[in-house]
Amino acid sequence: QVQLVQSGAEVKKPGSSVKVSCKPPGGTFSSYNINWVRQAPGQGLEWVGRFVPFLGIANFAEKFQGRVSITADKSTSTVYMELNSLRSEDTAVYYCARPSSLVTKYSLDVWGQGTTVTVSS
Amino acid sequence: EIVLTQSPGTLSLSPGDRAALSCRASQSVSSAYLAWYQQKPGQAPRLLIYGASSRATGVPDRFSGTGSGTDFTLTISSLEPEDFAVYYCQRYGSSYTFGQGTKLEIK
Repeated sequence: QVQLVQSGAEVKKPGSSVKVSCKPPGGTFSSYNINWVRQAPGQGLEWVGRFVPFLGIANFAEKFQGRVSITADKSTSTVYMELNSLRSEDTAVYYCARPSSLVTKYSLDVWGQGTTVTVSS
Repeated sequence: EIVLTQSPGTLSLSPGDRAALSCRASQSVSSAYLAWYQQKPGQAPRLLIYGASSRATGVPDRFSGTGSGTDFTLTISSLEPEDFAVYYCQRYGSSYTFGQGTKLEIK
């Protein structure tokens, strides 16, 4: 059951940027970290980064450092992931996900429906 | 960086069989930080097990997780048709690390 709502599919040219949004249906800004996980076609899951609402900061997997930003708009309870300098290898489904409670805080049990990003010339 | 290696890559079994999926870490992992997910085609992953052995809400009791240190196992006691999917283990830390997945297919 999807409990986070993400923006729609994107088709981008190599070298451009994409910005994907994620928000809870009820519009309440979560106190739990919002994570971004991607999945290339036929491949496994790869963590991209997270937004930490308590601190208002983001951190990222090393391979995406310098190319990704994760921000949040508290007024709209929306978290954004922007990936720059896109290449064909960035073609993937991008999910946002978070824990639902302190009990599951080290795992991800609330997911968005996924946003397909296609990078093609 | 801790690497999670899942085995086998593909497991071919029949409904009613018992399935045992392995996740091995390159360094010791706190059990609290180990989770298992199920993913079906076209769907987001679903949390099955957190804290190595606790079932998530709504997960049938045929799913169980065991293990500690570097070796963890997800067991499905008697496979139902809906259990055929891809399964991932995951470790929480400064980042989330996923195993490469085990595909459970119908024999």
